[in-house]
Amino acid sequence: DQQVKQNSPSLSVQEGRISILNCDYTNSMFDYFLWYKKYPAEGPTFLISISSIKDKNEDGRFTVFLNKSAKHLSLHIVPSQPGDSAVYFCAASNVGGSQGNLIFGKGTKLSVKP
Amino acid sequence: DAGVIQSPRHEVTEMGQEVTLRCKPISGHDYLFWYRQTMMRGLELLIYFNNNVPIDDSGMPEDRFSAKMPNASFSNLKIQPSEPRDSAVYFCASSLRPGTSGDEQFFGPGTRLTVL
Repeated sequence: DQQVKQNSPSLSVQEGRISILNCDYTNSMFDYFLWYKKYPAEGPTFLISISSIKDKNEDGRFTVFLNKSAKHLSLHIVPSQPGDSAVYFCAASNVGGSQGNLIFGKGTKLSVKP
Repeated sequence: DAGVIQSPRHEVTEMGQEVTLRCKPISGHDYLFWYRQTMMRGLELLIYFNNNVPIDDSGMPEDRFSAKMPNASFSNLKIQPSEPRDSAVYFCASSLRPGTSGDEQFFGPGTRLTVL
């Protein structure tokens, strides 16, 4: 059973608009969440993270929102740029339980059209 | 630092052959992870090491898979015998302290394995 779900396999957005990527999780023990970006033929690269004690973390054009009660997080990219076109993975871990591994969603492919 | 280094980048082999994938983590990182990416299952953790010791290998599919980390600068993942369903992209990643703020995992470029 998937503990981290990204229900939208793909998303298409116009350049300059907002991109919103969603992620749901089922394990209430998760206390740390990350977003990774992946270009073709490359490994995933870290984008932004959020601890469960926060509900928002911002880094430039990227903001991650966490709704613990709904077990939902989202990544907002504003404004979207063609270079943001990639696959975005949501990941979660249980740091408090000393779990060193990340559980990944299956990814959402974002296409930003000029 | 050159980042996480994986070799080979591409591997094509025939069913039944032994396959060895290699990884050099970022110097100073205490944790090393092996992942497999497929269309059906996405990115799944196979095994991870802390200070060269395997911590969790529950993701290793079956006994045909084995991984070792003989020292802090090298790990390998072996599949023997290989099967067509093992075809996937295998990633290695390393980190200082996984899951804590600022200590994210750094991924290598991956090895694309094709078993005919």
